[in-house]
Amino acid sequence: DTGVSQDPRHKITKRGQNVTFRCDPISEHNRLYWYRQTLGQGPEFLTYFQNEAQLEKSRLLSDRFSAERPKGSFSTLEIQRTEQGDSAMYLCASNQGGTSGNGQFFGPGTRLTVL
Amino acid sequence: SQQGEEDPQALSIQEGENATMNCSYKTSINNLQWYRQNSGRGLVHLILIRSNEREKHSGRLRVTLDTSKKSSSLLITASRAADTASYFCATGPAGGTSYGKLTFGQGTILTVHP
Repeated sequence: DTGVSQDPRHKITKRGQNVTFRCDPISEHNRLYWYRQTLGQGPEFLTYFQNEAQLEKSRLLSDRFSAERPKGSFSTLEIQRTEQGDSAMYLCASNQGGTSGNGQFFGPGTRLTVL
Repeated sequence: SQQGEEDPQALSIQEGENATMNCSYKTSINNLQWYRQNSGRGLVHLILIRSNEREKHSGRLRVTLDTSKKSSSLLITASRAADTASYFCATGPAGGTSYGKLTFGQGTILTVHP
């Protein structure tokens, strides 16, 4: 399967713990996106990368959140000192960026539960 | 923050009927996209329409875009039970380096009864 993969698929953690998620995009895609989705809502943009450069961060991404894409391939999203409000599905997507926009390919997501 | 609002929030139809979902948005866009989400396959891109286009077709899907009204509609013809899912519109903003980022609506839950 050459789609977008995410690991882990599920994560349960206690409040105050740190968690890290990984995303492997489709190999030829230069853009990688992170979104967060809560029940009954559409995905909300968090941040995105073009190659290894982080081009934009949402104000939703507090200083407890950090994302990296060190070699322009896979990406990690870390949440420090997790809070119950961080419980959500974290989605990763990728595409080949273009000036007129392209559809994004989404991974299956990582469901985070903070107890 | 959500860019758009989708209408209706839920739609229930019989197999073979057509389903129409509407999306409104607030700011200037580069493109508008529709996605489907169900538990089995996650979020899947269906179709993209650019701001200078008015209508686009893909198989049983027809999308229209009215930039003067800041609205779009998705028509699914001859629906099937397998079309049961949540449908989201998503907008790509005009200009700058943000044009890759998408802002999603809250979605329409479509149920197609066999």
